[in-house]
Amino acid sequence: AQKITQTQPGMFVQEKEAVTLDCTYDTSDPSYGLFWYKQPSSGEMIFLIYQGSYDQQNATEGRYSLNFQKARKSANLVISASQLGDSAMYFCAMREGHEAAGNKLTFGGGTRVLVKP
Amino acid sequence: SQTIHQWPATLVQPVGSPLSLECTVEGTSNPNLYWYRQAAGRGLQLLFYSVGIGQISSEVPQNLSASRPQDRQFILSSKKLLLSDSGFYLCAWSAGAMNTEAFFGQGTRLTVV
Repeated sequence: AQKITQTQPGMFVQEKEAVTLDCTYDTSDPSYGLFWYKQPSSGEMIFLIYQGSYDQQNATEGRYSLNFQKARKSANLVISASQLGDSAMYFCAMREGHEAAGNKLTFGGGTRVLVKP
Repeated sequence: SQTIHQWPATLVQPVGSPLSLECTVEGTSNPNLYWYRQAAGRGLQLLFYSVGIGQISSEVPQNLSASRPQDRQFILSSKKLLLSDSGFYLCAWSAGAMNTEAFFGQGTRLTVV
């Protein structure tokens, strides 16, 4: 079964507008971490933001914020005031805390974002 | 500061030839190490991960193998490449704590012809 699901294969967003990228996850482990990465066309993987399962508040990093809804097992990324440089693939990832998980970092299928001027 | 080196950046290999991709990490000790493969326009598939020297966990059955001969060295190998082995290979490392992000190498674009 998929651990991380990103249902939006691609999205257009107008420059300066906000965009929400969906991510749902599946785990029975009470301890886990959720990550978002950006991958421009160059292929490099850029870490954006982290949310821990026990964090009381939603994570924020500059224009990035994470809408964490634990009961729904969702961790959506919100990019505010989109810029042309935000055009890229975006990946959600999860690391589970139990020992058998062995520090695996599992990724979703990604969402391609294209920012229009 | 920590850095991760992965080479080569691009590689074209004939079917049936061997493969060796190397990844090294500097500036940290006992990192968790990962190999991922990414098909064009798709997500990252975890191939192997390692929590210590000689400790390799395989995620998917395949034509590839991995080794960790030294603490900060992770090698992806194949004895005989298949066309389906083509893809973008990414090496990554992370510290042991659950809340630490993974840092990625620049990737190797492998084309098997």
